[in-house]
Amino acid sequence: DAGVIQSPRHEVTEMGQEVTLRCKPISGHDYLFWYRQTMMRGLELLIYFNNNVPIDDSGMPEDRFSAKMPNASFSTLKIQPSEPRDSAVYFCASSLAGTEYNEQFFGPGTRLTVL
Amino acid sequence: AQTVTQSQPEMSVQEAETVTLSCTYDTSENNYYLFWYKQPPSRQMILVIRQEAYKQQNATENRFSVNFQKAAKSFSLKISDSQLGDTAMYFCAHKTSYDKVIFGPGTSLSVIP
Repeated sequence: DAGVIQSPRHEVTEMGQEVTLRCKPISGHDYLFWYRQTMMRGLELLIYFNNNVPIDDSGMPEDRFSAKMPNASFSTLKIQPSEPRDSAVYFCASSLAGTEYNEQFFGPGTRLTVL
Repeated sequence: AQTVTQSQPEMSVQEAETVTLSCTYDTSENNYYLFWYKQPPSRQMILVIRQEAYKQQNATENRFSVNFQKAAKSFSLKISDSQLGDTAMYFCAHKTSYDKVIFGPGTSLSVIP
């Protein structure tokens, strides 16, 4: 099993540019989560989807952030325009409802640096 | 609101010794799940061990075990026979049936040869 796949692994961009992070969940999983990790704020849940539908986006910092899940095997997190304070590691995770613990499996993360 | 607290930002342990990482949480739910995740320098988040609140028996996975005290809302992780590969950040996490997982701030563990 391939696990959760994220791309790119590293992204360096300049302030004001659009950034798109991509995620492929584990095949068959019906929940997908986007997290942001920083030293100051730790691991924060940004948004999560169930069956491709956004369920809770209360963690999305502001309108510059948007997330989509057009199908069960692909999701994007977009930042437009990017700012230096968006520099962080962004994780995608997926899980399967109905399993005993419904635990989340994480991707390797995307390290974003905004100059 | 749900919160997860890890009161030890950093800890160290000698190789082959035992170490216990603390975690407390706050919830109004009666049924929930608790997890410990490990994040080594590679950044990958790895599930170490899990516990359902209704199960009274403490979970064990090889060298890793938990001490779950439901009344005290405490969920500590014990690592026995520590190995150099155990060096990592450890995150305690709490999940209700609504699927949102709340993570603690993490404890950085260093295993000293």
